[in-house]
Amino acid sequence: QVELVQSEAEEKRPGASVKVSCKASGFTFTTHGFFWVRQAPGQGLEWMGWISAYNGRTNYAQNLRDRVTLTTDTSTRTVYMELRRLGSDDTAVYYCAREGPSYYHMDVWGRGTTVTVSS
Amino acid sequence: QSVLTQPPSVSGAPGQRVTISCTGSSSNIGAGFHIHWYQQLPGTAPKLLIYDNSNRPSGVPDRFSGSKSGTSASLAISGLQAEDEADYYCQSYDSSLSGFYVFGPGTKVTVL
Repeated sequence: QVELVQSEAEEKRPGASVKVSCKASGFTFTTHGFFWVRQAPGQGLEWMGWISAYNGRTNYAQNLRDRVTLTTDTSTRTVYMELRRLGSDDTAVYYCAREGPSYYHMDVWGRGTTVTVSS
Repeated sequence: QSVLTQPPSVSGAPGQRVTISCTGSSSNIGAGFHIHWYQQLPGTAPKLLIYDNSNRPSGVPDRFSGSKSGTSASLAISGLQAEDEADYYCQSYDSSLSGFYVFGPGTKVTVL
């Protein structure tokens, strides 16, 4: 079945980096884009970025553009999100999501990866 | 401040109909970009509920319906059920400098 399996929870110190993975199965990987969305505790959803698994093209949210990098590995059908220079306000659940066939929306979501930033 | 605005909460008794509004601007909904709706049950990942303004993915009950007009959109839940108690988010694409993909702040639906 169509599934996105994300990596396990991470705990990081302020200033460190984190790399979260999202492994896709059950569909043709390279015909889709993928989103990363995060949700801080008790808060709403925040779009972080998008990557095409076809050609690696990316779009990033303006407020994260200098700290986030999205990549894909087509051989393992995996999407990665790296966030650098972590601060306490980066503590959140990070979701990957597949772009739906009519574009611009997220039709399949991973279960989320909790990233905790604390000294 | 969210580019899209939603009421913080709505409530209704079982069986009633509730609606959630999502108001945007000329750079997103008003520019013709579609609205999509997600349901997030407590402690779980969001789930696509409505895409392209009014389309339901397979498996979503027809109690859920979406519409769009001008710079606003709405999600209606008819025949409200206890399992509908969740947070609901609207999402669109924005052509301004504020960002490419934008979410509303979310609306908590409470079943009385």
